[in-house]
Amino acid sequence: EVQLVQSGAEVKKPGESLKISCQGSGYTFTNYWIGWVRQMPGKGLEWMGFIYPRDSDTRYSPSFQGQVTISADKSINTAYLQWSSLKASDIAMYYCGRSSGRRDFDYWGQGTLVTVSS
Amino acid sequence: EIVLTQSPGTLSLSPGERATLSCRASESVNNRYLAWYQQKPGQAPRLLIYDASNKATGIPARFSGSGSGTDFTLTISRLEPEDFAVYYCHQYSSSPQTFGQGTKVEI
Repeated sequence: EVQLVQSGAEVKKPGESLKISCQGSGYTFTNYWIGWVRQMPGKGLEWMGFIYPRDSDTRYSPSFQGQVTISADKSINTAYLQWSSLKASDIAMYYCGRSSGRRDFDYWGQGTLVTVSS
Repeated sequence: EIVLTQSPGTLSLSPGERATLSCRASESVNNRYLAWYQQKPGQAPRLLIYDASNKATGIPARFSGSGSGTDFTLTISRLEPEDFAVYYCHQYSSSPQTFGQGTKVEI
């Protein structure tokens, strides 16, 4: 069974760093792209970027380029989304999704809620 | 960047009725690289349709997708109680990929 399991909810202060994770199982992790999608409270879905764990080829939306870093560790079937300095505007649910060939997301993680508050 | 505009914003219908959701792109979506997702409160999105008209695994027959170029449609032939949710279209024809703003189907 294909599963993407994300790390738990986080509460951070403005300016702090954060790295959240998405671990895949039930399939060959290096054969699929992993994408990240943001959903701000009460809002729609926003595509952030992708990584191909086999060679760490990474693509970002211009809206998120320089704001976050996407990485992966194929030895433990895990992709990451990280911030070096969180802002209040980063408050959102973040989803990872599996994609074949940088296309649709056929499986999704359960989401990680990030709260930023002083 | 391709902008996807979904309409209507909210669709008020009853169980058993037909739902027609629209997704219009600001430029042509090549290869019909467009997907539809369903999202219920507190849940992750679920893939319904990919490549404009192909049903994902396990999706009931009442869901269908159509369209090409800049105009795409998701149709739910007869609404079941569990179909009341928010629906998003998603283009993966060009980078950056983009989502529509969503259509809420409510009772």
